[in-house]
Amino acid sequence: AQTVTQSQPEMSVQEAETVTLSCTYDTSESDYYLFWYKQPPSRQMILVIRQEAYKQQNATENRFSVNFQKAAKSFSLKISDSQLGDAAMYFCAYRSAKGGTSYGKLTFGQGTILTVHP
Amino acid sequence: GAGVSQSPSNKVTEKGKDVELRCDPISGHTALYWYRQRLGQGLEFLIYFQGNSAPDKSGLPSDRFSAERTGESVSTLTIQRTQQEDSAVYLCASSSLGTIGSYEQYFGPGTRLTVT
Repeated sequence: AQTVTQSQPEMSVQEAETVTLSCTYDTSESDYYLFWYKQPPSRQMILVIRQEAYKQQNATENRFSVNFQKAAKSFSLKISDSQLGDAAMYFCAYRSAKGGTSYGKLTFGQGTILTVHP
Repeated sequence: GAGVSQSPSNKVTEKGKDVELRCDPISGHTALYWYRQRLGQGLEFLIYFQGNSAPDKSGLPSDRFSAERTGESVSTLTIQRTQQEDSAVYLCASSSLGTIGSYEQYFGPGTRLTVT
């Protein structure tokens, strides 16, 4: 079974600065997808960024980028020019690319609470 | 179009009562997932529906939990004889699955269940 670990329960950053959230995962599969989700106090899960394991290039979405190290099974999220609206719980998630009855099931880490200071 | 909706938004129930939680997926989405999120924790997979295939119930924590889905529409998660440890936010997500790909799951706002 796959596991996802986020070792930072809480992180904080000053507005306009950069912060990196860590995530490691364990899997025996070679093809999979990794995601970062944001959950503000409204509880709405919002997809921040997605990485396909077969792609060597790190994904980027505006101020959000990842550092995907497949051999190390590491998938960190970098938020540049942090904004007050970035404050939320961030979850790292894994999804197998194999078909089967559990196709599409996401395995989540425990989350990291990000505080942004003005 | 409309996103995933869930009802009720909040539910307080007494220990031992049964509860039903409802999820309306995005129209046309064939896949539907239920997750549980305990306070301050990550999401735990509960059950997965895909079209008319048999659901994957591997995440249901006990036989008190069950879920149904009619075709590719509404799903209901039922918890019988609720216990205090069932208190959590229950999140529903749907996605469009055709050929294998990184289809995004769209989440609803969740139902916060409190068992007193």
